[in-house]
Amino acid sequence: DQQVKQNSPSLSVQEGRISILNCDYTNSMFDYFLWYKKYPAEGPTFLISISSIKDKNEDGRFTVFLNKSAKHLSLHIVPSQPGDSAVYFCAGASRGKLIFGQGTELSVKP
Amino acid sequence: NAGVMQNPRHLVRRRGQEARLRCSPMKGHSHVYWYRQLPEEGLKFMVYLQKENIIDESGMPKERFSAEFPKEGPSILRIQQVVRGDSAAYFCASSPERYVRNEQFFGPGTRLTVL
Repeated sequence: DQQVKQNSPSLSVQEGRISILNCDYTNSMFDYFLWYKKYPAEGPTFLISISSIKDKNEDGRFTVFLNKSAKHLSLHIVPSQPGDSAVYFCAGASRGKLIFGQGTELSVKP
Repeated sequence: NAGVMQNPRHLVRRRGQEARLRCSPMKGHSHVYWYRQLPEEGLKFMVYLQKENIIDESGMPKERFSAEFPKEGPSILRIQQVVRGDSAAYFCASSPERYVRNEQFFGPGTRLTVL
């Protein structure tokens, strides 16, 4: 039962342009959604989160949008930088535990 | 201000041996979580612990796996009689007593290889 899905395994973007990473979920009980960034052989690093009662949260170059009716969230990175190249995971939070999607590998080309 | 510490970073075991993975949470954090990442997959929740208590172990395999977070010392994830399918990266995360955004801070992981 995949409660959180990231349907795009990879995304390639030109430096300076916008990166949009998408995530769908099925569990209506999530009270927060989070995005993590992960480099090979390292642990995930927290990027940004959003409460289930909000529809947008912004932090510098990162903005997360939540569409509850569609059970969809997205992470926008503007402008994209080569250092953003990594695997991005979305996660839903419910009673303390995080349920992760499969990840999207972002490649930002100079 | 040290982050979440995990050791060892790499662990090699033969089938049938025991694996012990240790996790020291960030200073001031009393909640610990263990996740497993199989090759080419996302992270899967295993267990959620507070000091001396297991809060949620719904993601733990029913046999061979156990976890503890004693009053003193690190959290331990123990895998008895390891099999090849246990080969994975095991991540520990921690959060403070009163967390606001459900944010969890992750350690670097332990990569377990079963020969």
